[in-house]
Amino acid sequence: GIQVEQSPPDLILQEGANSTLRCNFSDSVNNLQWFHQNPWGQLINLFYIPSGTKQNGRLSATTVATERYSLLYISSSQTTDSGVYFCVTGDSGGYQKVTFGIGTKLQVIP
Amino acid sequence: KAGVTQTPRYLIKTRGQQVTLSCSPISGHRSVSWYQQTPGQGLQFLFEYFSETQRNKGNFPGRFSGRQFSNSRSEMNVSTLELGDSALYLCASSLEGRAADTEAFFGQGTRLTVV
Repeated sequence: GIQVEQSPPDLILQEGANSTLRCNFSDSVNNLQWFHQNPWGQLINLFYIPSGTKQNGRLSATTVATERYSLLYISSSQTTDSGVYFCVTGDSGGYQKVTFGIGTKLQVIP
Repeated sequence: KAGVTQTPRYLIKTRGQQVTLSCSPISGHRSVSWYQQTPGQGLQFLFEYFSETQRNKGNFPGRFSGRQFSNSRSEMNVSTLELGDSALYLCASSLEGRAADTEAFFGQGTRLTVV
């Protein structure tokens, strides 16, 4: 099945700083989503972005499907951005199983 | 419109017991998928249901099973609980497409502790 790698695994930022999270995937995909998992465990949808670029406030994401990677940008980070960010995709081939990256644990300090 | 609803939110069970978790998808969504999250293994796909039929399954033992009802609500069951089954169980709903191909929305999860 498809392999999903996220980097960095851990990130500590000063409030107000910018950051880029990366997701590499090993095969062609029809689907790519970014989620933020809050301290209570819920996965919050950030972007559904199988290709192209999207922006939502301080967050934006870009997926280059032909090169098999996606980037999540967080600008002017706030303490509420803390948590774990997951890249999630699915194998477009025979397996068609949803695969999660290991996540990037972000801590924003005041 | 209401999001994905999972019940109960927390459960404590004893080894050897069985447990049933429930997931109500977003209104109009017909696909429901289930996931297990543990500190050691991360988030792993359990299975996916559409139109009351299981259409995909992850690599979990037969003790893990599920079903979907005609109103798209889904339940998952774990029999003969083991300590290692302690985890956060998440369900997600999507319109109709396979969970691997379409945008999915997650519930708040059920945190199961096996003692």
